[in-house]
Amino acid sequence: DAEITQSPRHKITETGRQVTLACHQTWNHNNMFWYRQDLGHGLRLIHYSYGVQDTNKGEVSDGYSVSRSNTEDLPLTLESAASSQTSVYFCASSEATMGQEKAFFGQGTRLTVV
Amino acid sequence: AQKVTQAQTEISVVEKEDVTLDCVYETRDTTYYLFWYKQPPSGELVFLIRRNSFDEQNEISGRYSWNFQKSTSSFNFTITASQVVDSAVYFCALSELNTDKLIFGTGTRLQVFP
Repeated sequence: DAEITQSPRHKITETGRQVTLACHQTWNHNNMFWYRQDLGHGLRLIHYSYGVQDTNKGEVSDGYSVSRSNTEDLPLTLESAASSQTSVYFCASSEATMGQEKAFFGQGTRLTVV
Repeated sequence: AQKVTQAQTEISVVEKEDVTLDCVYETRDTTYYLFWYKQPPSGELVFLIRRNSFDEQNEISGRYSWNFQKSTSSFNFTITASQVVDSAVYFCALSELNTDKLIFGTGTRLQVFP
């Protein structure tokens, strides 16, 4: 069965370190998204991509970057981790922009920056 | 700007009670999509429903029903005869046409007690 997986599921890192969260989907979806979930804020969009070599900034992109070298993967990099980036991160993918297909979400990565 | 408001932060009910989760949205688009997602204690996001702005018909799926009213910009979700397994955080979300980007509300935590 097609799926979307995130790794690691849990990560503790120190302030100032670079961290990369992986997202891999086997749906062959063109669209991929990264959200962060924080209490009182719901989920907020960090970065997104509509295809290979395409990346775009979302609502809360400062301190994050993504790259899309193939259809299956959209890794999220925290350039220099800060305590404010302690959060639960969700990756999502969707099939197309016409017809607004539902997004499939990964299981989330809980990141703690100490 | 697009915005989704879920004014109910937390709701507690006793099993078999009916419960309605409110969702109010703001958008300048004439074509848009509304979603509900469920996040059980295990943390994953489960898609429940998608509704486009041209379809104001109410929908029923088992114990779940949704009431979409463009006149009041609301997309409310009712669970009939609630069960303990319904305990979760429920998110309402809005998507702009042709983007697949989701704008989430802050979520409503539903606790169903036996």
